[in-house]
Formats: sequence, C-alpha cells, structure tokens
Amino acid sequence: QKEVEQNSGPLSVPEGAIASLNCTYSDRVSQSFFWYRQYSGKSPELIMSIYSNGDKEDGRFTAQLNKASQYVSLLIRDSQPSDSATYLCAVNDRGMRFGAGTRLTVKP
Amino acid sequence: GAVVSQHPSRVICKSGTSVKIECRSLDFQATTMFWYRQFPKQSLMLMATSNEGSKATYEQGVEKDKFLINHASLTLSTLTVTSAHPEDSSFYICSASGSEETQYFGPGTRLLVL
Repeated sequence: QKEVEQNSGPLSVPEGAIASLNCTYSDRVSQSFFWYRQYSGKSPELIMSIYSNGDKEDGRFTAQLNKASQYVSLLIRDSQPSDSATYLCAVNDRGMRFGAGTRLTVKP
Repeated sequence: GAVVSQHPSRVICKSGTSVKIECRSLDFQATTMFWYRQFPKQSLMLMATSNEGSKATYEQGVEKDKFLINHASLTLSTLTVTSAHPEDSSFYICSASGSEETQYFGPGTRLLVL
C-alpha cells in the first residue's frame, strides 16, 4: 500500500467554482501534512500545512484533516485559471512522502 | 517564505561523467536538507536526507556510492551523480528545513545524460 494516495485526476472545474482535492495516508501515527502546488517544469511550492484535526483556512484555500479516517483534503474556493497545476499531498515522515498528485484544470 | 537556490538549473552531460548539483539556503540556516528526484509524469521521490556534518541517510533503493551527498555547512548541500547514465536523467530537487518542520524547495535541476 502506498504511503500517500491521491486521485490523479485530471480534475476540471469552471472558473469561480470550488475545487476539492482529496488525499489518504497509510501511517496512522503521521502528524504533519502538507499541500504543495507544482506547475509544469517547476518545483513544488507550499500552499498549506496542517497538523490538527479540523479545518485550516488561508485565503481561498482550506485544508481539512481527519486523523481518524486518515484523510486530508484541500478546497480551493473561487478557482482561477492560474490555479491550474498539479496539487501534491505530502506527509512528513523523516522527509516528505508525496502522493502522485492531482492535476487540476480551471476553465475560464 | 525562506529561499532555497539550486545550481545549475539545467545540465547536459555525457554518459560516464559525474555531475555536481548545489543546494543553498539563502536566508536561513538549514539543519536538514533533503534530495528528491522526479521522473516525467511521476511524483517526487525522496532520495536522501542529510544533516549538517553528518552522513546522509539514503532511502531504500538509492545507491549511496552513486549519489554522493555532502552537507558541509548549514547553508550548503551538494549532490554528486557519479558515472551518470541516461537512466539518471531526471529532475533533481532539494529542500531545506530549519527550526520548523516545513521544507522549502529549491527550483530544481534538470539533468540530461546523453
């Protein structure tokens, strides 16, 4: 079983809609979770980190963590075409363990 | 956010040669640096973790004699791909973390071995 699993997509949403990205992880003792965005040919850039159960909001982004279900999600409100990228979920386990990434396309 | 640089950004070399990639934390002291590799259409895979002044810890399946890592200071780590072969062609990305757990990624180095 992979340590971090994501739906690879592609996910397509219209501009202004909410994009919902999901991730599950296998190690129940994991404590630190991250969402990164990666544009084609570029390195990942950090969007959010989350450590506690519940929601964490930062601008248009909301991360949700449910440790009992071993589930992390990212919501992007008012999606913009510039949000089109691959979104990587990661768990910090002596180094980041990344999911395969979900490719998001926001259509104008 | 913290800034991490990598040099070179792109390198093309002949099979059998060695290539050195530098990773620098520009505005903070990085107690730990990480090296990742990303093949086309795949996610990042952790290769090794290095702490300043210590030997690197390699992930399973990564050859430590082929991928030499030196972390001589709190702001610099180097990855040397020795006797590179075409299958080593990849996007190599470093990251650095200081006192916080968050890792800051460098811009990456694209290696092409002919």
